[in-house]
Amino acid sequence: GENVEQHPSTLSVQEGDSAVIKCTYSDSASNYFPWYKQELGKRPQLIIDIRSNVGEKKDQRIAVTLNKTAKHFSLHITETQPEDSAVYFCAASLTSGTYKYIFGTGTRLKVLA
Amino acid sequence: DTGVSQDPRHKITKRGQNVTFRCDPISEHNRLYWYRQTLGQGPEFLTYFQNEAQLEKSRLLSDRFSAERPKGSFSTLEIQRTEQGDSAMYLCASSSGFGVRGTQYFGPGTRLLVL
Repeated sequence: GENVEQHPSTLSVQEGDSAVIKCTYSDSASNYFPWYKQELGKRPQLIIDIRSNVGEKKDQRIAVTLNKTAKHFSLHITETQPEDSAVYFCAASLTSGTYKYIFGTGTRLKVLA
Repeated sequence: DTGVSQDPRHKITKRGQNVTFRCDPISEHNRLYWYRQTLGQGPEFLTYFQNEAQLEKSRLLSDRFSAERPKGSFSTLEIQRTEQGDSAMYLCASSSGFGVRGTQYFGPGTRLLVL
C-alpha cells in the first residue's frame, strides 16, 4: 500500500549548521510533496512543497530536492536557528482524485544554541 | 482568523460515551479532510469530502466513526462508543481544489482523551 518513510526520527544540530531530513515514498504515481512544520501543541504549517515536474525548490533557508527515479525527496535547512526547532513531516500525494496526503512519521529537530 | 477552526480543542470522555467534533474550513475551500494523529506519528488520513459528498473513507474509520458535511461548509466527526484506542489528535484540513490550489491547510486539532 501507500507508504512514506522518514529519517531520521530525531536530529540535533548546532545553531548555524545545516539539517537534512529524508523521505522515501512507495507510490510511483505520487506527484506532489509538501513539508509541514509542527510546533508543540500547534497545527501543522506548510513550509515548502515540490511538484514532480521540478527537481529542486528553494525558499530562503529552506530547500527541497526530489529524485523521482529513486522515489526520494529531502528537506534542507541551512543556517539553522533555535526557532527552527519543531517536528517536521513530509508527505506524498497525487494531484488527482482525493489528493489525500500520506505522511511520514516525523523528524524532531532540535537546534542547540 | 480566516484559517481552519476546530471545536472543541480538547475533549475528555469516558469509554463508551459518544463524542462529536466540528471543523470549519476556510470559506472558499470545497475539499475537506479529517486526519488522526497519535503521539510520535504523522497524521493518518481518515476521510475526505468534496463539497457535501464523502468520497473516500480510510479502513481506519471503523463503523463507530461517522462524518458529515451537510451543506458543503462545516463538517462533523462523531465517534460512538469511544474506546481508549480512540485517544488521539483529530485534525481537519481544507483545500480549494487541484493543482497549485490543492495545498491543504490544517486546523489546530481536537485532542481526545478516552478514560
